Amino acid sequence: EAQVTQNPRYLITVTGKKLTVTCSQNMNHEYMSWYRQDPGLGLRQIYYSMNVEATDKGDVPEGYKVSRKEKRNFPLILESPSPNQTSLYFCASSYRDRGGNSPLHFGNGTRLTVT
Amino acid sequence: EDQVTQSPEALRLQEGESSSLNCSYTVSGLRGLFWYRQDPGKGPEFLFTLYSAGEEKEKERLKATLTKKESFLHITAPKPEDSATYLCAVQGAGGTSYGKLTFGQGTILTVHP
Repeated sequence: EAQVTQNPRYLITVTGKKLTVTCSQNMNHEYMSWYRQDPGLGLRQIYYSMNVEATDKGDVPEGYKVSRKEKRNFPLILESPSPNQTSLYFCASSYRDRGGNSPLHFGNGTRLTVT
Repeated sequence: EDQVTQSPEALRLQEGESSSLNCSYTVSGLRGLFWYRQDPGKGPEFLFTLYSAGEEKEKERLKATLTKKESFLHITAPKPEDSATYLCAVQGAGGTSYGKLTFGQGTILTVHP
C-alpha cells in the first residue's frame, strides 16, 4: 500500500530534550516536506526537499533541522524543543513533474507536546 | 509572498442543502491550486488540482472551479459523510517558491442529517 509513515503518532517531551520524528514513504517520491498545523494558523511549511541531499527552508524553519540522505526518509529533528513547538506535525511527499509538484500524500500526523 | 484566504471559517448545512466554499489567493504566477479534505485526526487527502483560470473539476458531489483570483468548491446535495475540513493551497511559479505550498486556514464543514 502506498503510504507516508510517521513515527511516533504522539510524543510528550520536556524543554531542551532532543527528539527526532521519522518520516518514510514507499512511493519513490522525489519531493518531501514537513508541515506544522496550529489552530487558527493552518498548515505552515517547515522544510522541504526536492531530492536526496537537497533541502530548503519553508516558512517556519526556526528551531528545526532536517536531512535527506535517502530518497525514502526525511526525518525532522528538534535539537532543543521549546513549548512553542507544541503542535501537530505532518510529513508529505509527491512526485516532481514539469509543471511543479504532483499532489501531496500526507502522513497521519505526529502530535507533539513540549512541557 | 503567496497568500491564501478561505471563507467561511465554518459552515453548517442540512443534508441536501447545496453551498460553496471560497478560496481567495495571491501568488506570483500560479503553478497549481489544490483542494484537500482533512478528517479529524488524519492527514489531508487530495481532492483536486486546478492549473488555469476557467478550469473545472468534479468528483461525486464536489466541483472545483478557478478564476484568476479565487477558487470555489461547490458541494451539491451534501451528505453527513462530507463533513470535514476543506483546505485550499497554492503553488507559485516564482524561483524561490517552486518547492513551497501555501495553505489557507481551511473551512470546517458540518452537514447535519
